[in-house]
Amino acid sequence: DTEVTQTPKHLVMGMTNKKSLKCEQHMGHRAMYWYKQKAKKPPELMFVYSYEKLSINESVPSRFSPECPNSSLLNLHLHALQPEDSALYLCASSPTGGGNTEAFFGQGTRLTVV
Amino acid sequence: GEDVEQSLFLSVREGDSSVINCTYTDSSSTYLYWYKQEPGAGLQLLTYIFSNMDMKQDQRLTVLLNKKDKHLSLRIADTQTGDSAIYFCAETLRGGSYIPTFGRGTSLIVHP
Repeated sequence: DTEVTQTPKHLVMGMTNKKSLKCEQHMGHRAMYWYKQKAKKPPELMFVYSYEKLSINESVPSRFSPECPNSSLLNLHLHALQPEDSALYLCASSPTGGGNTEAFFGQGTRLTVV
Repeated sequence: GEDVEQSLFLSVREGDSSVINCTYTDSSSTYLYWYKQEPGAGLQLLTYIFSNMDMKQDQRLTVLLNKKDKHLSLRIADTQTGDSAIYFCAETLRGGSYIPTFGRGTSLIVHP
């Protein structure tokens, strides 16, 4: 199983809603990532978890709250988002938090904030 | 994306070869990657190369690496309309941490 599974695939939410994006992998990877991708732009790093601990936060606004409840799951909790937060949110995992190895990406959640 | 540079567009005829170029910054990156993204989809890892190699061939794909110039290229032989997508070059080390870092992406358009 070399899959990173993200749910939901699409999400429309209002600016006052609270929602969560989920990411799951069963490859035993101990590094997991959230990226944000706007249309026609490269993915931009948001957060990195290494061994279930937050190791990098790229100055992301607090309306985005990551959580890594165990080594297979990564969540991104959303609250009071703005329309400009509409984007494709990609999750990735890799075998270790350091060194050079392959990163696997999920298919993403396409988020629209109305 | 500013640390990894790619040209934005490439247009080719079906059956021709495509060459997508990339320059990167971190000479410590041991792996360099090419990802493909079709419209509305996530990222698909196409191929990668170790920094101690200068060429890797995988079916229609050939990756060339010039470590001295920090230049990476992806050649697609016999390009098909299904190859139309955005291709991202990625390096993986940033300040000693393993962080996949992407170029801006090259939009490949294949004409019949």
